[in-house]
Amino acid sequence: AQKITQTQPGMFVQEKEAVTLDCTYDTSDPSYGLFWYKQPSSGEMIFLIYQGSYDQQNATEGRYSLNFQKARKSANLVISASQLGDSAMYFCAMREVDSGGGADGLTFGKGTHLIIQP
Amino acid sequence: DVKVTQSSRYLVKRTGEKVFLECVQDMDHENMFWYRQDPGLGLRLIYFSYDVKMKEKGDIPEGYSVSREKKERFSLILESASTNQTSMYLCASIGGGVAYNSPLHFGNGTRLTVT
Repeated sequence: AQKITQTQPGMFVQEKEAVTLDCTYDTSDPSYGLFWYKQPSSGEMIFLIYQGSYDQQNATEGRYSLNFQKARKSANLVISASQLGDSAMYFCAMREVDSGGGADGLTFGKGTHLIIQP
Repeated sequence: DVKVTQSSRYLVKRTGEKVFLECVQDMDHENMFWYRQDPGLGLRLIYFSYDVKMKEKGDIPEGYSVSREKKERFSLILESASTNQTSMYLCASIGGGVAYNSPLHFGNGTRLTVT
């Protein structure tokens, strides 16, 4: 079973609109962290935002916020007031602290290709 | 600022060649990773290393090997390159004993084409 599911392969959004990128996850580990990365066409992976499983509040970083619904195992990324420069691939990823086994690595979803239209 | 450097941005190799992808990090990180990225498949873990000379298989190790002779350098080796190994390869690192919220630090990737 997939640990990270991103159901939107691609999205087109008008500039200045808000965007929600979906991410659901699957884990039985009570301790985990969720990450979002942005990958522009240049290929670099840019860390955007983090949410811990015990965090009481939704994470925010500038125009990025994370809509964390623990019971539903979802961690959607919200980008407010989208800009042309937001066009990129976006990846959701998870670290399972107790059962991860992978030297603190991350398990990634398949990504969403976001295109912002003027 | 952490810097992870992959030696080649683009690489074209022939089927059957032995290929080395090199990755160097400058932050004394214990853990290093090689991921492969393909459209529609996301990033998949090939191998990782948690110390010098230590390595562990990830989710898709077949056709690959790795070498970590020095802490700062982690090499991915394609013993006999095949066309289905044409892909983007991403190296990443992170320090040992990390907190939950520590992100991986990535290199800029190597786009490998095997013809």
